[in-house]
This record gives sequence, C-alpha cells and structure tokens, in this order.
Amino acid sequence: GESVGLHLPTLSVQEGDNSIINCAYSNSASDYFIWYKQESGKGPQFIIDIRSNMDKRQGQRVTVLLNKTVKHLSLQIAATQPGDSAVYFCAENQGKLIFGQGTELSVKP
Amino acid sequence: NAGVTQTPKFQVLKTGQSMTLQCAQDMNHEYMSWYRQDPGMGLRLIHYSVGAGITDQGEVPNGYNVSRSTTEDFPLRLLSAAPSQTSVYFCASSYSRTASSYNSPLHFGNGTRLTVT
Repeated sequence: GESVGLHLPTLSVQEGDNSIINCAYSNSASDYFIWYKQESGKGPQFIIDIRSNMDKRQGQRVTVLLNKTVKHLSLQIAATQPGDSAVYFCAENQGKLIFGQGTELSVKP
Repeated sequence: NAGVTQTPKFQVLKTGQSMTLQCAQDMNHEYMSWYRQDPGMGLRLIHYSVGAGITDQGEVPNGYNVSRSTTEDFPLRLLSAAPSQTSVYFCASSYSRTASSYNSPLHFGNGTRLTVT
C-alpha cells in the first residue's frame, strides 16, 4: 500500500558533521517529493523538493537525493549546526500529499 | 509577511463543547487546508479548499466543518468536541490550486494545540 516512512526515528550528530536523513516510499507513481523541517512548537517549514525525473537537487547546505530504483529519498545537511535540531519528514505527492512520521535530528555541540 | 496565522495557540475543551480554530493567510493563496498531527502518525488532511466558496473533505473529516467565504480565511469548526480530537492542528496554504506542486509548496502555520477532556 501507500506509505512514506523513515528508516530511523532519531539521529544524533556532532556539530559540524554532515547529517543524512532517509526516507522510503512505496508508490512509484509519485511525481515529486518534499522535505520539511519542524522545530519544537512550530509548524513544518519547507526545505527542498525534487521532481521524480531528477536524481539530485541542491539547496543552501542541503542536498536531496532520489533513488527511484529502490524508492529511497535522502536529505543531506552539510556542516550541521545546533539550529538544525528539529524533526525532519518527507512527503510524496500522489495527487495528494502523503507525509512520513519524521526523524528527530539532535545536534551535539 | 505574516504568512499563515493560526489562533488560538492553545485550547482546552470539555467533551461536547464546540469551537472554531481560525486560520488566515496574507499570501493570496488559492489553496488552503487543515491537517492534524498526532504522535506516531504523519500529518493527516481534514478538509481543504481550492478557492473561495469551494471546500472538500480530506482523509479524516468526521467531526469537523469548514467554510471559505474569503480567499484569506479558512476556519475549522469542531461541532461537538471528543477526546479523540485532542491533537495539534495545522493550517496550510499554497499558491497552487492543488495541495502542493513543484516549487509551490505548502506553507504551514504554527499550529493550535487542542486538548479535549
């Protein structure tokens, strides 16, 4: 069935290291994917999106990789900072948005 | 820009009470929607609107009503609150007339935390 999931519920990284947050999806018909960041007590904030006909897209300190062969999406954050601590979740568009549950990223100073 | 504004931030209701969660956006977005967020679950769509005067049901519409009399406002009404409606509610809008499209993502408010006792 339809699902968007995350491999790890929590991720702890050292400040300055790179972070990789993963997401698995099951519907190959999804035409694009989105990553959101949600800080405690706030609403989700758009980070980056990628079309299904792309493999990679880069933003400021973030890169999203899409592997359609294994239906896997990842978000890479370079030089992770304390301000990056939040829950990150992906969503896929199948005509409607399906949201994953999220991975909590904790950055150790 | 204020973006998407939700009020109140917190609310406690007794079972059976009714209330309205307010949502306003100042981005002239056509699409507006309400989601609920519960522990262990992804955001779930309650109701949405693709423009003034048009509303439709999402995934979990029971117990909620909406209306869209203006482009800016999209209130969510709880008719008779139940403990199962304890949740965090998010309003979101998009320039696109669909939920979200490439380079036209959903913009979320900061949520209303509702507890029903």
